[in-house]
Amino acid sequence: DAKTTQPPSMDCAEGRAANLPCNHSTISGNEYVYWYRQIHSQGPQYIIHGLKNNETNEMASLIITEDRKSSTLILPHATLRDTAVYYCIVRGDNQGGKLIFGQGTELSVKP
Amino acid sequence: GAGVSQTPSNKVTEKGKYVELRCDPISGHTALYWYRQSLGQGPEFLIYFQGTGAADDSGLPNDRFFAVRPEGSVSTLKIQRTERGDSAVYLCASSLVGGGAITDTQYFGPGTRLTVL
Repeated sequence: DAKTTQPPSMDCAEGRAANLPCNHSTISGNEYVYWYRQIHSQGPQYIIHGLKNNETNEMASLIITEDRKSSTLILPHATLRDTAVYYCIVRGDNQGGKLIFGQGTELSVKP
Repeated sequence: GAGVSQTPSNKVTEKGKYVELRCDPISGHTALYWYRQSLGQGPEFLIYFQGTGAADDSGLPNDRFFAVRPEGSVSTLKIQRTERGDSAVYLCASSLVGGGAITDTQYFGPGTRLTVL
């Protein structure tokens, strides 16, 4: 299974865009990139996923590089409620149902 | 609609005791997953049910841990002879299709915080 590398922590000013990077240089062709976040004392919350095209939903945008070796999750206008640990997960069809979480990035949005 | 619910939200027990943790998945979701999260770590997979059967139990740490889903809906995670190292947040998730489908999104409950004294 492809591993992911994320910075352990990041800060972002309230109202600014938060850009969270993820490196997945060993990703294979049929593996998707998933993002979840976990607000303190809550369960992980699904954000977005993609294969190779950029994706956008009401929560965030996902930009995947052309070689698919890295991606960036973008929260366009971060709020204090976006403070959380963000997990980038690579998911393939050889993992069964399991999600394999790393350490994630702890994003602190500051006023 | 209602999300995944877990009870109790907190459980404190003594070393050696037996505990049961309950998960109510989203209605109609075929697949159900259990994860365990230790302090400062990401969640770790324990077991995955497809309907009533355990499709993958490779994450259960030892035979003190057991889970059931007798009617394909509610699931119970059972831990025998609890140890202090079992202290963690136990998370449950459900998904619509399961079957290892890559784009089948898992939705998590709030977790049960287990403390073994």
